[in-house]
Amino acid sequence: SQQGEEDPQALSIQEGENATMNCSYKTSINNLQWYRQNSGRGLVHLILIRSNEREKHSGRLRVTLDTSKKSSSLLITASRAADTASYFCATDGNQGGKLIFGQGTELSVKP
Amino acid sequence: ETGVTQTPRHLVMGMTNKKSLKCEQHLGHNAMYWYKQSAKKPLELMFVYNFKEQTENNSVPSRFSPECPNSSHLFLHLHTLQPEDSALYLCASSQDYPSQETQYFGPGTRLLVL
Repeated sequence: SQQGEEDPQALSIQEGENATMNCSYKTSINNLQWYRQNSGRGLVHLILIRSNEREKHSGRLRVTLDTSKKSSSLLITASRAADTASYFCATDGNQGGKLIFGQGTELSVKP
Repeated sequence: ETGVTQTPRHLVMGMTNKKSLKCEQHLGHNAMYWYKQSAKKPLELMFVYNFKEQTENNSVPSRFSPECPNSSHLFLHLHTLQPEDSALYLCASSQDYPSQETQYFGPGTRLLVL
């Protein structure tokens, strides 16, 4: 079964607004990671949150993790047109070290 | 730049062709990965190499043949591919495997099989 599932599948906002993306997973995890992918390019690691952490910040990014609900959220504050990309969560779960990626959220930030 | 490079960036091939994708990482990592990314589907892990040894093969058809001559280089040899193999092929590396830590991705090779 798919480990990470992002919600919504697509999100369109205006520059300056905040963007929130959610990720749900099914099994226990050691950590959860968020990656960004610009169109047709490779994935870039954004942030890693461990299972014993509840919140983590990096610049305009804020990630929360609720292990009781098996969910995580990624908040991008004061969005910019350059934030337009697909965002993926990835978990290790019980996969023997493999990362399992969700289908991603396509974020469009309009100037 | 993530420290992982891939060539070529774009490739068009016929079903009878033989081609190879190349990946190189400059991060001193021990593990390297091949992923396939098709439209509207999650990333699919294809192969994992750790210290040049293949540790994972996710039921990938034999028309895809990986090669890892050293910890810095990874190849994916392609032959008699099908149109449904058209996708973005991503290479990644991490310090070790198994690992729950960050993976570093290359820019990918966009493959079109005619």
